[in-house]
Amino acid sequence: QQQVKQSPQSLIVQKGGISIINCAYENTAFDYFPWYQQFPGKGPALLIAIRPDVSEKKEGRFTISFNKSAKQFSLHIMDSQPGDSATYFCAASGGTSYGKLTFGQGTILTVHP
Amino acid sequence: DVKVTQSSRYLVKRTGEKVFLECVQDMDHENMFWYRQDPGLGLRLIYFSYDVKMKEKGDIPEGYSVSREKKERFSLILESASTNQTSMYLCASSFVGGPNQPQHFGDGTRLSIL
Repeated sequence: QQQVKQSPQSLIVQKGGISIINCAYENTAFDYFPWYQQFPGKGPALLIAIRPDVSEKKEGRFTISFNKSAKQFSLHIMDSQPGDSATYFCAASGGTSYGKLTFGQGTILTVHP
Repeated sequence: DVKVTQSSRYLVKRTGEKVFLECVQDMDHENMFWYRQDPGLGLRLIYFSYDVKMKEKGDIPEGYSVSREKKERFSLILESASTNQTSMYLCASSFVGGPNQPQHFGDGTRLSIL
């Protein structure tokens, strides 16, 4: 079963706009929430990650917001650029999982110039 | 820089064939993973290995097996390929030591089963 649900499946944003991708999880044992970015023809790469002891983490134009009570987290891309066009995956991990990640379904982001 | 290398970018095989996908990492990572990526389904874990000769089933192991004889190499085996195994296959590796160790991915093998 899909333990991490991601939306939307695709997103089109104008250059300079804000891109928002949402994820919801079910397993309360999850305690690590990374986002991966994948460009066409490449494997995913870690973009930014958060642990549930903080509600927000910012790295440059990328921010993760985390709501533990709602079991939701989201990625915000400020001042979106055409170079941000990629597929984004949220993921979750926790417990004695050997670092196993459960991924969301992915969001294809297109930023128009 | 960590390098995860998958032996083929594109592969075409026939139904019923035994197919081997190879993955090599150069960072002495303990953990290695095999995923398949399908549109709308994200990345789904097939198998992972946390040490040489050790393996654990992921979420969708049916029809697959794996082999890890050396620390740097992790092979995915399709015992008898079927058309529903047509997909993008991604290998990843990471250090052991907690879930916040990032996974490093190869660029994938696009496998077509005819």
